[in-house]
Amino acid sequence: EVQLVESGGGLVLPGRSLRLSCAASGFTFDDYAMHWVRQAPGKGLEWVSGISWNSGDIGYADSVKGRFTISRDNAKNSLYLQMNSLRPEDTALYYCTKEAAVITTYFDCWGQGTLVTVSS
Amino acid sequence: DIQMTQSPSSLSASVGDRVTITCRASQSISSYLNWYQQKPGRAPKVLIYAASNLQSAVPSRFSGSGSGTDFTLTISSLQPEDFATYYCQQSYSTPRTFGQGTKVEIK
Repeated sequence: EVQLVESGGGLVLPGRSLRLSCAASGFTFDDYAMHWVRQAPGKGLEWVSGISWNSGDIGYADSVKGRFTISRDNAKNSLYLQMNSLRPEDTALYYCTKEAAVITTYFDCWGQGTLVTVSS
Repeated sequence: DIQMTQSPSSLSASVGDRVTITCRASQSISSYLNWYQQKPGRAPKVLIYAASNLQSAVPSRFSGSGSGTDFTLTISSLQPEDFATYYCQQSYSTPRTFGQGTKVEIK
């Protein structure tokens, strides 16, 4: 069974940093691209960042570019999101997602999310 | 960036109703369009990928159509477990933008 388990969320002051982790199991992790998608309280879904299987292709939403860094460790079956210079508008539930590639790409598996709250 | 616009933002329907949700892209995305369902307190799950392909284990009452800029998600006969929020998402280019969501509520 495919499982994605996020961790690392919490309450943080504006301007500070936080590192999210996602532990993957049940599939060959280094065969797949991975992504972070977030959802602010009561709001819709926002794609944050994605990384290819070998870290050769990385992308970010404009809202986080220059502040967030995505990475992965295929030996540890883990995905990360380093979040710096956090802002109140970064408050959200952050989901780790696995990308399927069949005809097109889509997010076929999601974790349960880890909540990040940026507040003073 | 490609903007995705869904309509309506919400709708009320009864069990057994046929429901249609529309998604429009700000530029042509061919068939690179996916649909997700999200229930309260749960992670989203994919229903349809590449505009019209049903994800494994998704009931056949769900269907998708469209190409270019205009897409539709149809639920042929609404069931109690279908009351949820639905999102479209384009996979044509980065950033992978989502629509704002359509909340399907019980009438």
